[in-house]
Amino acid sequence: DIVLTQTPLSSVVSLGQPASISCRSSQSPVHSDGHIYLSWLHQRPGQPPRLLIYEISNRFSEVPERFSGSGAGTYFTLTISSVEAEDVGIYYCMQASGFPTFGQGTKLEIK
Amino acid sequence: QLHLQESGPGLVQPSEPLSLICSASGGSISTSYYNWAWIRQTPGKGLEWIGSISYTGSTYISPSLKSRVTMSVDTARNQFSLTLTSVTAADTGVYYCASVRLNRFQLWGQGTRVTVSS
Repeated sequence: DIVLTQTPLSSVVSLGQPASISCRSSQSPVHSDGHIYLSWLHQRPGQPPRLLIYEISNRFSEVPERFSGSGAGTYFTLTISSVEAEDVGIYYCMQASGFPTFGQGTKLEIK
Repeated sequence: QLHLQESGPGLVQPSEPLSLICSASGGSISTSYYNWAWIRQTPGKGLEWIGSISYTGSTYISPSLKSRVTMSVDTARNQFSLTLTSVTAADTGVYYCASVRLNRFQLWGQGTRVTVSS
């Protein structure tokens, strides 16, 4: 299995400030078709996860432009350019290039 | 707009089977563009993919759960289902169904909470 390790596990950010979450993969999550199916999900309290970013850097439908993804190889990053109150919750990276696996989650709180 | 809704017993006795259904509305599960997945969120392991199924019934199941998992699809009812046998307390958690297109877990149901306890 591909193991995904996120850092930090928690982050406290002021409104309007940037936030960044890292995801390191135990091996390159390259699918046999050449794509890297690395996604980012956001889960608000009491809600199911919601897809934010797919294939490293593509925003899913209706996801605000302040969310961006980047990375290559085994190191990936989710960046929020200017944190808003609705961004609180837990962020997960996941890969679906092999059997799907998830990172352990990063809790984002507002200062 | 596609909507997914999980349903299930809530409480299951240890060693008994757990059966869940995911009902789709606002769209058909009979499409080759999508697979349909089950994921659970447990205190012990966090988010864990259980398996995925196509509308033709082809399944892809987590190796760690393969011996206990059966998945099926009912296109007439626009539903797909999960059965997990021989449950233990470690299977307690929230179970989600989701639509998967091009390996993107696009839409998740609200989840159903399952407690394994006598």
